[in-house]
Amino acid sequence: KAGVTQTPRYLIKTRGQQVTLSCSPISGHRSVSWYQQTPGQGLQFLFEYFSETQRNKGNFPGRFSGRQFSNSRSEMNVSTLELGDSALYLCASRQGLAGAQETQYFGPGTRLLVL
Amino acid sequence: GESVGLHLPTLSVQEGDNSIINCAYSNSASDYFIWYKQESGKGPQFIIDIRSNMDKRQGQRVTVLLNKTVKHLSLQIAATQPGDSAVYFCAVVNDYKLSFGAGTTVTVRA
Repeated sequence: KAGVTQTPRYLIKTRGQQVTLSCSPISGHRSVSWYQQTPGQGLQFLFEYFSETQRNKGNFPGRFSGRQFSNSRSEMNVSTLELGDSALYLCASRQGLAGAQETQYFGPGTRLLVL
Repeated sequence: GESVGLHLPTLSVQEGDNSIINCAYSNSASDYFIWYKQESGKGPQFIIDIRSNMDKRQGQRVTVLLNKTVKHLSLQIAATQPGDSAVYFCAVVNDYKLSFGAGTTVTVRA
């Protein structure tokens, strides 16, 4: 079974621009979560999507948004990029069984550099 | 919210020795814990998990211990190999959200 895939793997943008990152979960997984990883803050939860609905949200400004499609693929968007948005953005998927504590499996991440 | 801390940011281990990585969490209601390994340029890779109704779980060369009384868990790697060099994270799951510790960088000396 193929793992979580993320595109693009690397991205360079300038301040003020916006960016869209894509994540395809493991086949059969309906929940997709996004995380930001930086050397200073570590791994931080952004949001989770399940059945095209945002179910959980971390403490990030409204410039960070996401969506999920009917095939469970997810995108996250960052508008008005700031230098501090430079990070590795990770996507993780799980089956999404109700009431179940499930392992989340991560993709390789998208490395975003904001200049 | 959940606060997750690691006791040591770095660990240097002789090849063949055992490694122990420790992690503390703050929320006594937490009931699911995962250890991840992250190699350079890759996303975190699942190693082993444990639920709060257990205090020990073993995998291939790895053992996770959970002490709910002091809110502490540890990852033990037996016979550490060069391929074990990576950053190790403990993650606590609450409401399907992972809260991560800062990570311990394990370096294996030949």
